Amino acid sequence: DAKTTQPNSMESNEEEPVHLPCNHSTISGTDYIHWYRQLPSQGPEYVIHGLTSNVNNRMASLAIAEDRKSSTLILHRATLRDAAVYYCILRRNAGNMLTFGGGTRLMVKP
Amino acid sequence: DSGVTQTPKHLITATGQRVTLRCSPRSGDLSVYWYQQSLDQGLQFLIQYYNGEERAKGNILERFSAQQFPDLHSELNLSSLELGDSALYFCASTPGTSDTGELFFGEGSRLTVL
Repeated sequence: DAKTTQPNSMESNEEEPVHLPCNHSTISGTDYIHWYRQLPSQGPEYVIHGLTSNVNNRMASLAIAEDRKSSTLILHRATLRDAAVYYCILRRNAGNMLTFGGGTRLMVKP
Repeated sequence: DSGVTQTPKHLITATGQRVTLRCSPRSGDLSVYWYQQSLDQGLQFLIQYYNGEERAKGNILERFSAQQFPDLHSELNLSSLELGDSALYFCASTPGTSDTGELFFGEGSRLTVL
């Protein structure tokens, strides 16, 4: 399976935008880019996913590089509740399980 | 609330024992996934079932087994428990096998083996 590389941790100030990077240089044409987050003591929670085009939803935006070798999860205004571990995952084929890496621990300062 | 229900939320048992973790997927979801999360290993995929049949297998030990019943709930059986089996066990569900969208995770069952 193609791997992703994320920074171990990032810090942000409350109410400021946050850009969480993810590198996936060995991505294949059929890999979907998924982002999940895990708040303390909770199960992983879906954030967003995309294939080639940038995507927006109520939680975040996903910016995908033209060559698809990297992507960025954008939280437009970080809140304290956004403090979590964010996982960037490549989902190889439709219906396949997710393979989680180490993720990025996001800390949000008031 | 994801709609996925896991029981029990917490379980403490001794080495050598056997436990069963239960998962009720979201209404109508046919696929169930089991994951293990320990401090040193992160989130590891164990096994997937689709409509009662095993669909994919990950890093699941031979001491562990799972099944999905006709009513679509799933059980993960852990036997001959060892200290290293202490972890959070998550269940997730999706509508089918060809969807590319999100997995819905439960809140997990925390297993402590003493």
